[in-house]
Amino acid sequence: NAGVTQTPKFQVLKTGQSMTLQCAQDMNHNSMYWYRQDPGMGLRLIYYSASEGTTDKGEVPNGYNVSRLNKREFSLRLESAAPSQTSVYFCASSEGGSPLHFGNGTRLTVT
Amino acid sequence: GNSVTQMEGPVTLSEEAFLTINCTYTATGYPSLFWYVQYPGEGLQLLLKATKADDKGSNKGFEATYRKETTSFHLEKGSVQVSDSAVYFCALSEGSNTGKLIFGQGTTLQVKP
Repeated sequence: NAGVTQTPKFQVLKTGQSMTLQCAQDMNHNSMYWYRQDPGMGLRLIYYSASEGTTDKGEVPNGYNVSRLNKREFSLRLESAAPSQTSVYFCASSEGGSPLHFGNGTRLTVT
Repeated sequence: GNSVTQMEGPVTLSEEAFLTINCTYTATGYPSLFWYVQYPGEGLQLLLKATKADDKGSNKGFEATYRKETTSFHLEKGSVQVSDSAVYFCALSEGSNTGKLIFGQGTTLQVKP
């Protein structure tokens, strides 16, 4: 039972490069989320998707785009990476009022 | 806007000591409150939750009571173990979407044998 799977686990980018973080869940959840975790700041919501075909901005959406490809997959794209986007990124999913199920994270460094 | 404030860490305790991690919140309406735990190299896992005032959430020996009068949700455990060493996050949900969470900054707990 994989739960929420994120790829890659680690990534180093140069400023200005682009990349896509992948997330897939096998729990048939309708809602999916992208959070970033920074030291001393907890987790902050970047984007979420309440259901297939919909996406909405969270607290810190600038510099990111998302795609809800299907019910299982929700990707996060950085079009032009900046050092301020160095962080650990977590994907999560939920259904109805259930608590979030988190992936193990992607550690991104932008130099 | 809504916010969550946790006590500064790290917290270092000896095994079998009593644990309290303070959490206070600011919110409009009546949010649900959560404690999540993050073990090294892993994502967050729900530890416990409370959905209305005076509710007590509990799990694995941890407890927290939703105190509306003091806007607090402090985490307690009577006797910690080395395996409890982790980062603990207090969070609140905005509205009915319990996936849209506002997190505190996290408190690192280290338990020594």
